[in-house]
Amino acid sequence: RKEVEQDPGPFNVPEGATVAFNCTYSNSASQSFFWYRQDCRKEPKLLMSVYSSGNEDGRFTAQLNRASQYISLLIRDSKLSDSATYLCVVKVGGGGSYIPTFGRGTSLIVHP
Amino acid sequence: DTAVSQTPKYLVTQMGNDKSIKCEQNLGHDTMYWYKQDSKKFLKIMFSYNNKELIINETVPNRFSPKSPDKAHLNLHINSLELGDSAVYFCASSQGLGLSYEQYFGPGTRLTVT
Repeated sequence: RKEVEQDPGPFNVPEGATVAFNCTYSNSASQSFFWYRQDCRKEPKLLMSVYSSGNEDGRFTAQLNRASQYISLLIRDSKLSDSATYLCVVKVGGGGSYIPTFGRGTSLIVHP
Repeated sequence: DTAVSQTPKYLVTQMGNDKSIKCEQNLGHDTMYWYKQDSKKFLKIMFSYNNKELIINETVPNRFSPKSPDKAHLNLHINSLELGDSAVYFCASSQGLGLSYEQYFGPGTRLTVT
């Protein structure tokens, strides 16, 4: 089983739609979680960290479900500019040293 | 101001050649990484250095050798290039190896081996 799994998509949604992605992780010792965004032929960039209590940044909401070992990203009122690949990142480790593991990403296409 | 820069941006070379990719960060970070992103877009960590010390060395052929002359630089040298080495190589840095530190990525080096 892969350490970090994501549905590759693509998710094809109209502008204004609400879309949600999940990311499951296999290591129950995973301790921190992030969502990155990667545009075509560009580098990944941090979208948001995922906190235990969940967090919201504008149209984006991230949640963590430790019991079921997944994190989610909800995008409300989708814009054309939201079209990108969304990468889930999980960190595992200890003693002050944590290794990030990336999922393969979920592709989102927002159309007019 | 470029935070993490890589050179070259594109690299086209023949099998068997040796090539290097350079990475520099001006963020004052302690930790730097090399990632490989293959044609299926999977971003896989190769190496990580913390304060010039090798911390992570994933299962990578020993044809790949990283070098960190100082905290701001992490170079990647590849010997005897093979077709399967074709990919985008990303350098990244983070403040440290701690739980909450995000990574900042360079623009990538697109390597094509013919």
